[in-house]
Amino acid sequence: KQEVTQIPAALSVPEGENLVLNCSFTDSAIYNLQWFRQDPGKGLTSLLLIQSSQREQTSGRLNASLDKSSGRSTLYIAASQPGDSATYLCAVPFYGGSQGNLIFGKGTKLSVKP
Amino acid sequence: GAVVSQHPSRVICKSGTSVKIECRSLDFQATTMFWYRQFPKQSLMLMATSNEGSKATYEQGVEKDKFLINHASLTLSTLTVTSAHPEDSSFYICSARDGGTRTDTQYFGPGTRLTVL
Repeated sequence: KQEVTQIPAALSVPEGENLVLNCSFTDSAIYNLQWFRQDPGKGLTSLLLIQSSQREQTSGRLNASLDKSSGRSTLYIAASQPGDSATYLCAVPFYGGSQGNLIFGKGTKLSVKP
Repeated sequence: GAVVSQHPSRVICKSGTSVKIECRSLDFQATTMFWYRQFPKQSLMLMATSNEGSKATYEQGVEKDKFLINHASLTLSTLTVTSAHPEDSSFYICSARDGGTRTDTQYFGPGTRLTVL
């Protein structure tokens, strides 16, 4: 059974810091991994999708890496801003008996203070 | 980019009433739609998977007679919470997979906050 864990559960940093969010998964046989952002009371915004054949993806100040063999992914946020404050979720698709529904971690709640 | 809408964004209802939530893919055909539920400080949990024109597949522990899902067209899926109770209060999010591409990306709706009094 695939399980997704995110560490830390919460993180508070001053503006301008570089930071790393961690995601681990128990079954390394994944097709891809996604990072999402969720603002309070809002839906999800997809940030980055890494295919299993890729090692990293970049979008602006965000960089996500994937190490399938060790079951880990990291989301690196450079020069953090108060607008980055949100909960960040990682998710992997589960194909066992279904059609690719996503299994989510509980998220890391990020607070960037001005 | 692909957009998924949900309506309503927020609903408050009395215990015992039924609530319908709509999920629409605005600029693509969604052959598969997913319904998730999120309780406070918990991760999203899949409730059911629906394919256009067929019955939904429910996850273990989700009552299909309570959470009615209809995927009548390639752009619309509805979730009806029947005889809602306070414990059904939650954040419901739908997602849709673009049937016209080979990507595994799911596009998420903005969510619906349900409060049952």
